[in-house]
Formats: sequence, structure tokens, C-alpha cells
Amino acid sequence: ETGVTQSPTHLIKTRGQQVTLRCSSQSGHNTVSWYQQALGQGPQFIFQYYREEENGRGNFPPRFSGLQFPNYSSELNVNALELDDSALYLCASSGGGAETQYFGPGTRLLVL
Amino acid sequence: GNSVTQMEGPVTLSEEAFLTINCTYTATGYPSLFWYVQYPGEGLQLLLKATKADDKGSNKGFEATYRKETTSFHLEKGSVQVSDSAVYFCALKTDRGSTLGRLYFGRGTQLTVWP
Repeated sequence: ETGVTQSPTHLIKTRGQQVTLRCSSQSGHNTVSWYQQALGQGPQFIFQYYREEENGRGNFPPRFSGLQFPNYSSELNVNALELDDSALYLCASSGGGAETQYFGPGTRLLVL
Repeated sequence: GNSVTQMEGPVTLSEEAFLTINCTYTATGYPSLFWYVQYPGEGLQLLLKATKADDKGSNKGFEATYRKETTSFHLEKGSVQVSDSAVYFCALKTDRGSTLGRLYFGRGTQLTVWP
């Protein structure tokens, strides 16, 4: 069974640019959640996707957007990058009737 | 609202010492509770969970008991090892039993174990 995978592992962008992060959910999982983890902080919920629809959103501006595909993989898009967007972005999947969220290794984004 | 408060770190222990990391929560409704661990440069791994009052979650020698009366879920281990050095996160989920719903995390507690 393949776990949650994310790509890329690291990324460097400049202010104002746009970025797309990708996540493949664990086999059998139809729900994907995205979290932002700033240095030294706990993860903060960005949004969740269930069967290709957004199901809940945290306190993040609209320039954070997402997609879920029919195979349940997901993308996180961030437009007009700001320095404060520098963080570890974590994807988690859940499903199969169980509530536990399983996390990928994360994408570390640095905005210069 | 929903929130999790963890004891401030860092925590530094010698190998074979007893570990306690305190976690208290505030929740609307009846949450499920989790401990996740993050090793350097990695994502989060589920350590243990409990879904109802007085449940004890356990894994790899770690334990935590869901205390509804004190709204706590303290993490304990009787004898820590150097390999336990990591950041530990307490979290709650209010959509108990559902695959849907978000996690609310504490700020994390850094544990360093010296040989």
C-alpha cells in the first residue's frame, strides 16, 4: 500500500509568483486536507477536499486555492506569493470509513 | 472555539528517563484526540489516538488517556530513547468518527533525549 506522497520536496520562489503543490492520497482514501506549518509552529488547516469538492476552509485568503481530481489526488495553488507564505505544506489523506488523517512528507516552500 | 494547548518546550531528558508532555483542549462537542510525531525534516506520523472518554491510546511504549473531566490528553513514556527525539503534536478533531473534518493542532513540544 502506497502512502501519501507530495511533490516537489523543496521549492524556492520570489514574491508575487505563483506555485502549485501536488499530493497523491493513500490508496482507498477519498479525502485530502492541506495544512501550512510555519517554522516552530503547529500545522494550520488550509482546506479539505472530498470527492472533488471543497469541504471546509481555514482562515486563509482566496489566493490559496485547490483542486481534487477523480483519482483523489490534489493540488494546492498559491497566487501572488508573499514572504510569509514560506512554510512546510503538508497534505493528509483519510477515507475508507476511518477518521485518521495520514500525512505526506511535505513540500518546503521558501519565498524570497 | 476549538483549540489545543501543549506544554512549552523544549524538553531535554536523559535516556531511560520518564516522559510527560501535557496537552489540554477546548472543543465544541465531543472530539477525537491524537498525538502526532515529527522527526527532523519529515512530515507528521500518527503516534496514537483515542476517540472517547477514558480510552487509552498506546504505541511504541507511548501512552495517553482521554480525560474528559479535565479536558486533557497527556503523553507519557516510561523510558525514553535517543531515537524518540522529535517534535510531538497534540491534536483534536471534532467530526468524531468521520473521514471529514479538520485537525486542530497544538504548537508542538520539542523533545531531545541525550545518551
